[in-house]
Amino acid sequence: EIVLTQSPGTLSLSPGERATLSCMSSRSLVSSYLAWYQQKPGQAPRLLIYGTSNRAAGIPDRFVGGRSGSDFTLTISGLEPEDFAVYYCQYYSGSPMYTFGPGTKVEIK
Amino acid sequence: EVQLVESGGGLVQPGGSLRLSCAASGFTFSTSTMAWVRQIPGKGLEWVSGISDSSLSKYYRDSVKGRFTVSRDNTKKTLYLQMSSLSAEDTAVYYCARIVENYYNERRFDPWGQGVLVTVSS
Repeated sequence: EIVLTQSPGTLSLSPGERATLSCMSSRSLVSSYLAWYQQKPGQAPRLLIYGTSNRAAGIPDRFVGGRSGSDFTLTISGLEPEDFAVYYCQYYSGSPMYTFGPGTKVEIK
Repeated sequence: EVQLVESGGGLVQPGGSLRLSCAASGFTFSTSTMAWVRQIPGKGLEWVSGISDSSLSKYYRDSVKGRFTVSRDNTKKTLYLQMSSLSAEDTAVYYCARIVENYYNERRFDPWGQGVLVTVSS
């Protein structure tokens, strides 16, 4: 079973700063199957990134997904007030089965 | 506009049953793979079940196998989740979502419904 680890658990930043979120697994992951979602309080998750680095429709280019080895990253360059939320990575692990990471909360410092 | 709207949530006693519905609009429902994802209040997301476009394939996470049944009516553009033998551990907000997959096998949940709360309590 694929287990995703997200770090940090909470990221305290100011508007305009850069946020770097990490998603990792102890097993080798396929880039095609990794996605990122944003969730604000009281709202459903919203797709941000799929296939590790492809932005979903309507997502600003300050959201960038990438990979370095076994570390998948979501970088938000220049945090806007509306970006403060919880971010989840998600992986399709076959069978089929979908696994979500525990989330990273990006809060206003 | 692509939209999913869930209904059917509420308070149910332990051991009881409930059926959730998810009405789709703005896309070709009959050719879309669909899923249910839940979220315990204040916690993370958990995939629950999935169903292929033709209903030939249905999938469940281990903890709900034998208790939950996913189905769909393509003529009504509606997805269902029949839940039985409910316990407190099933208390969560339940979301329906479309699973999108492209030529490169890049899979994702998009869009999501607004979610419906299921509370299992006596």
